[in-house]
Amino acid sequence: DGGITQSPKYLFRKEGQNVTLSCEQNLNHDAMYWYRQDPGQGLRLIYYSQIVNDFQKGDIAEGYSVSREKKESFPLTVTSAQKNPTAFYLCASEPGHGYGYTFGSGTRLTVV
Amino acid sequence: KQEVTQIPAALSVPEGENLVLNCSFTDSAIYNLQWFRQDPGKGLTSLLLIQSSQREQTSGRLNASLDKSSGRSTLYIAASQPGDSATYLCAVRSYSGGGADGLTFGKGTHLIIQP
Repeated sequence: DGGITQSPKYLFRKEGQNVTLSCEQNLNHDAMYWYRQDPGQGLRLIYYSQIVNDFQKGDIAEGYSVSREKKESFPLTVTSAQKNPTAFYLCASEPGHGYGYTFGSGTRLTVV
Repeated sequence: KQEVTQIPAALSVPEGENLVLNCSFTDSAIYNLQWFRQDPGKGLTSLLLIQSSQREQTSGRLNASLDKSSGRSTLYIAASQPGDSATYLCAVRSYSGGGADGLTFGKGTHLIIQP
């Protein structure tokens, strides 16, 4: 079945470490997105990519980095510059503008 | 800037009732509107997508309506069941750019269906 796979489901980061969250889709979708979800807040866009080898900053890109070397993969790196990284991270994809989003099951990142 | 509001923030009803969740948006220049369901600790599951040219979409016991001119959408759930308990999110795709990609989410309605 087609879908979006996020891994790991739970991730723990020590202070000063960089960690990478995986997002893989087999839906042949062009556009991919990373969102952050915090309690009591709506989803906030971190980065998005409309096509391979191209990506754009979202509303809260500071302290994060991404790459889009393959159509099916859009990994997110949470760097040590992100001062408050504890959150639930969601990856999404879309076949084209306006066709609706499909989301992965999320990764919960906790700083220890 | 597009703003999306969902009312109520939380709702608890007995099983079997029909119910309506509300979503309002400030800029009527939208491309489409999507309703999602989120279970605790899980990702978002798409329920219904309404394009700006459409007035409603139906899937099973769910019916979503869209009134662009008044900036409102409703999600109607018929004959509610305990399995419907979840948080329901509304997301609007704007031409003007509610975010960097033009998609703005509401904060959701937390729904509990009492057995």
